[in-house]
Order: sequence, then structure tokens, then C-alpha cells
Amino acid sequence: EAQVTQNPRYLITVTGKKLTVTCSQNMNHEYMSWYRQDPGLGLRQIYYSMNVEVTDKGDVPEGYKVSRKEKRNFPLILESPSPNQTSLYFCASRTSGGQFFGPGTRLTVL
Amino acid sequence: GQSLEQPSEVTAVEGAIVQINCTYQTSGFYGLSWYQQHDGGAPTFLSYNALDGLEETGRFSSFLSRSDSYGYLLLQELQMKDSASYFCAVRDTGRRALTFGSGTRLQVQP
Repeated sequence: EAQVTQNPRYLITVTGKKLTVTCSQNMNHEYMSWYRQDPGLGLRQIYYSMNVEVTDKGDVPEGYKVSRKEKRNFPLILESPSPNQTSLYFCASRTSGGQFFGPGTRLTVL
Repeated sequence: GQSLEQPSEVTAVEGAIVQINCTYQTSGFYGLSWYQQHDGGAPTFLSYNALDGLEETGRFSSFLSRSDSYGYLLLQELQMKDSASYFCAVRDTGRRALTFGSGTRLQVQP
């Protein structure tokens, strides 16, 4: 089954404790991206990757890092999380036209 | 940068037709896409328009006018399960990033 998976689905952490949210897709898509979704603000792109070792900033990259060492994986790294990074995060991969989204990761930073 | 405008809420009755409009401003237009998101779920891809005109997929159709920087999603024969949020999104030719509108919450009433 074609899918995008994310882990963990839920995470509560404390300010400053580094964390990684993993994302994996099995559709051999070159393009992958990360979004955060906040009430009233819709989906905002954090980072995207056109292919292995090619990443670029989206609209809200501050406080986040990504890496793309393999085509299937695109982890999101928060080196020093802060409360304003409490949000719902989605990973997505894309074929021509549309994006396939993962199930989401709800992150709370205390 | 990019910006998109869509209504925040729309209400309609079962069996009716509803149109959700989206106007955009972008420095380099690559295409307009539409996504559906049910409460607690991930966005799912509905349609994509790169050229002017109407694209039909079952009960859903999407229209684009590049000269007017305008598009719409048309939902016919509304069903209760169509109650969800609908997002338009544009891709920038320069950055290849994707920018979403803030979403339209559709409520279908019996």
C-alpha cells in the first residue's frame, strides 16, 4: 500500500530537549516536505527536498533542521524545541500535481 | 511571496452544489491544487489545475483562470461526509515551495 508514515504520532516534551520526527514514504517520490498546522493559520511549509541531499527552506524554517540521505526518508529535527513549536506536523511526498500526506504528529513542548 | 484568499466557512444542505473560491497572489505560478481535511485527519489531495479550465473528478470539479489569479472547487450532490475543511494551494516556480490557503470549513446539513 502506498503510504507516508510518521513517528511518533504524539509527543510531549520539554523546552530544549532535542527531538526527531521521522518520515518515510514507499512511493519512490523525489519531492518530500514538512508542514506545520496551527489553528487559523492553515498549513505552512517548513522545509522541502527536491531529491537526495537537496533541501530548501519553506515559509517557516526557523528552529528546524532536515536531512535527506535516502530517497525514502526525510526526518525533521528540532535541536532545541520551544513552546511556540507546539503544533500538528505533517510530512508529505509528491508526485506530479498532488501531495500525499502522512497521518500527522501532534507535538507539545512544555 | 505568495498569498491565498478563501472563505473561512461555507454551509450547504445535502444534495446541493457548493463552490469554494480561491484567489491567489504569487510571484511565479506553477499550478493550483485542492485538498480535503476531515477533523483529526491528514489532508488528502483532490485535484490539480496547471492550465485554465475545468477539471472533473466524480462529484468534484476544479476550475482555474490564470489571468484572474482565481480558481474554485465545485462539489456536487453534497453528502454529509463532505463536511470537512478544504484548502487551496499554489506552487511557486522559483522556490518550488507550496503555499496553502487558511482553509474553508464546509458544513453539510441534512
